Amino acid sequence: DTAVSQTPKYLVTQMGNDKSIKCEQNLGHDTMYWYKQDSKKFLKIMFSYNNKELIINETVPNRFSPKSPDKAHLNLHINSLELGDSAVYFCASSPSATGDTQYFGPGTRLTVL
Amino acid sequence: QKEVEQDPGPLSVPEGAIVSLNCTYSNSAFQYFMWYRQYSRKGPELLMYTYSSGNKEDGRFTAQVDKSSKYISLFIRDSQPSDSATYLCAMKSGSSASKIIFGSGTRLSIRP
Repeated sequence: DTAVSQTPKYLVTQMGNDKSIKCEQNLGHDTMYWYKQDSKKFLKIMFSYNNKELIINETVPNRFSPKSPDKAHLNLHINSLELGDSAVYFCASSPSATGDTQYFGPGTRLTVL
Repeated sequence: QKEVEQDPGPLSVPEGAIVSLNCTYSNSAFQYFMWYRQYSRKGPELLMYTYSSGNKEDGRFTAQVDKSSKYISLFIRDSQPSDSATYLCAMKSGSSASKIIFGSGTRLSIRP
């Protein structure tokens, strides 16, 4: 009974490629997030969606585009991958728009060669 | 200056010891304070959640918030090897559109 799931778990790709990461939550939450965790474990928010609407859009390159087909799914598409995109990407969900309590997925470890 | 400062450690203590993990912050608008635990190669897991100042206890864990000093702590009593993980403090303001700001995490190791 995985609450927040992500696919794939590992992603190794070449510079310049386009890739997608998928996230699904079965908690019935209205709000979902994408975070990036760098090699120093620093966790930084990228995007937040509430009921399929974008509510937080941090200063990330527009090569990153989130898509929420319904409130249980939030996918992340990355164009023209760069070496600096290598990181662990976490999806999270929250029962409220305030996002006080968030539940994280297992992460997708992206390596760009 | 970062909004949230956390000593990265690593912190190594013997089993059974009391552990104290701390964060300082600069934004006085923060009202919600959280501690997340992250095991190696796993996602962060919410451990404690407090609103405003004061103490909150849950089993072996106690979260403490001192808003006047802009300082939060997590105490772990009777520490176990299974407590070995990275602990991330996190906080946010009361606005619905505000984001959670995480500390950089403290790596904790409990020696058997």
